[in-house]
Amino acid sequence: EPEVTQTPSHQVTQMGQEVILHCVPISNHLYFYWYRQILGQKVEFLVSFYNNEISEKSEIFDDQFSVERPDGSNFTLKIRSTKLEDSAMYFCASSEARNYEQYFGPGTRLTVT
Amino acid sequence: DAKTTQPPSMDCAEGRAANLPCNHSTISGNEYVYWYRQIHSQGPQYIIHGLKNNETNEMASLIITEDRKSSTLILPHATLRDTAVYYCIVRAAGGTSYGKLTFGQGTILTVHP
Repeated sequence: EPEVTQTPSHQVTQMGQEVILHCVPISNHLYFYWYRQILGQKVEFLVSFYNNEISEKSEIFDDQFSVERPDGSNFTLKIRSTKLEDSAMYFCASSEARNYEQYFGPGTRLTVT
Repeated sequence: DAKTTQPPSMDCAEGRAANLPCNHSTISGNEYVYWYRQIHSQGPQYIIHGLKNNETNEMASLIITEDRKSSTLILPHATLRDTAVYYCIVRAAGGTSYGKLTFGQGTILTVHP
């Protein structure tokens, strides 16, 4: 069964450093998403991406964040200058069409020290 | 998207049916009811969704009341592996939405041996 994959599973970085989280969505999916979950809190929407551009973003997704689909398979989330409060699980998701069900990856645990 | 209300926790005996309720009294005509679950800190897993008819798939059944103000997710024969947080999410189809999922706190289902 096709699945969304994410790498790395765990990333440790120092405050102020840039990190890039990687996702490979399901191959025939066209809509891509990033969510995050701070430990003990709700899963929060960050951004949706379609046709090589951001279609929707939350207030959390400020200028420190960016997304990119550098090739036909990868979908990345970049955090330019990490803060302690960026420590969280980051989940990538994809869906076949605009309001179809989303399939989530296993997540990347980001720890900012 | 309409707000949902779920009990914070429920218990179920292994092998019995688990019935998880959700209230969505402000749901509007073009909004679907989606159910996801999250096992430990894994990525959320899609279970089922529906608009107004009852739905069944290999994982679960979804019963939506005639007035659409509430629904019940049924796991017919719960196993220990069904212990998870279950999220009921109401989401619009079309319009300005690009598929964002808004997660609440969900229901922690614990399946006992």
